[in-house]
Amino acid sequence: DAKTTQPPSMDCAEGRAANLPCNHSTISGNEYVYWYRQIHSQGPQYIIHGLKNNETNEMASLIITEDRKSSTLILPHATLRDTAVYYCIVRVRNNFNKFYFGSGTKLNVKP
Amino acid sequence: ETGVTQSPTHLIKTRGQQVTLRCSSQSGHNTVSWYQQALGQGPQFIFQYYREEENGRGNFPPRFSGLQFPNYSSELNVNALELDDSALYLCASSLWGGDRIHEQYFGPGTRLTVT
Repeated sequence: DAKTTQPPSMDCAEGRAANLPCNHSTISGNEYVYWYRQIHSQGPQYIIHGLKNNETNEMASLIITEDRKSSTLILPHATLRDTAVYYCIVRVRNNFNKFYFGSGTKLNVKP
Repeated sequence: ETGVTQSPTHLIKTRGQQVTLRCSSQSGHNTVSWYQQALGQGPQFIFQYYREEENGRGNFPPRFSGLQFPNYSSELNVNALELDDSALYLCASSLWGGDRIHEQYFGPGTRLTVT
């Protein structure tokens, strides 16, 4: 599985959009980009995934660059409850959901 | 629909002992994965079970073993505990072959402390 690079931490003001970047320059054509988050003392929570098109769901939007070497997770209106560690993962679709987590980005949403 | 549950919540063991951690998958799921999360790090993949057979393993020694039962519940067994085995152990279940194969649902974890 391709490795990902994320900044260790980011701050965001409550109510503003949080944009979390991820570099995956060695991604191959059949690898998806996934985002999970982990709120303190809880198990990771699925957020969103995508292959090459931008995706949106009730939690977030995922923007993948045309060359697929990087992506951005967007939380449109961050709340204090969005404070968590966010993990960007790339995985081959048929790889039976074996996820290789990196160190993630600690997002601090401040009032 | 019940979520993924794990037991016990916390556990303290002594170096050299053996431990068994348990996981109950989300209803309808047929795949379970186990992860180890050391303090301040991301979860590390240990192994995965699909239809009661191991279906891939991460970089963990054989003293880490597992079982998946017909009802898709699972156990993680660790023999000859070492101090570095102290971590949060996470179980995750998913449905391979269904419409939502991309999503993996994690339990709250078991905090293991080895002294």
